[in-house]
Amino acid sequence: DAGVIQSPRHEVTEMGQEVTLRCKPISGHNSLFWYRQTMMRGLELLIYFNNNVPIDDSGMPEDRFSAKMPNASFSTLKIQPSEPRDSAVYFCASSLGGVSTDTQYFGPGTRLTVL
Amino acid sequence: DAKTTQPNSMESNEEEPVHLPCNHSTISGTDYIHWYRQLPSQGPEYVIHGLTSNVNNRMASLAIAEDRKSSTLILHRATLRDAAVYYCILFSGSARQLTFGSGTQLTVLP
Repeated sequence: DAGVIQSPRHEVTEMGQEVTLRCKPISGHNSLFWYRQTMMRGLELLIYFNNNVPIDDSGMPEDRFSAKMPNASFSTLKIQPSEPRDSAVYFCASSLGGVSTDTQYFGPGTRLTVL
Repeated sequence: DAKTTQPNSMESNEEEPVHLPCNHSTISGTDYIHWYRQLPSQGPEYVIHGLTSNVNNRMASLAIAEDRKSSTLILHRATLRDAAVYYCILFSGSARQLTFGSGTQLTVLP
């Protein structure tokens, strides 16, 4: 199993540009999570999907952030326009879903730098 | 949300057991106790979880206090590859969210 796949692994962009992060969950998993990690705030859940439907997006910082899951094998997190304070490592995770014993499997992360 | 409290850092010598404590005095009856760890430059990875009884797997053991207000992750023989940040998390099935605290930075000394 390839695990959770994220792309790109590194992204450097300039303030004001649009950034799109991509995630391919583990096949058969029906829950997908986007997290952001910074030194100041640690790991924060941004949004999670169940069966491709957004369930809780209360962690999304503001309207500049949006996430989609058009099908069970693909999700995107978009930042438009990007700002320097968005610099962080963004993780995608997936799980089988449904029970409180559920294990989340994390991808390697995308390190975003906004200049 | 129920909170967990962990020491910021701990040290261990290689090949010795390590006991990582976690306090969760406001745990509810349906909260599972999960442990994840994050190695440098990697995403978090699942270690172990439990509800009431002690649990063992190939990676570690989880000892849960009888009142469930605290738990201890036990690495039986620490290796250099176990150096990581260890997170103790209460997982509520109803919320379906993992809320990460600051974790414990484990340093393993050769």
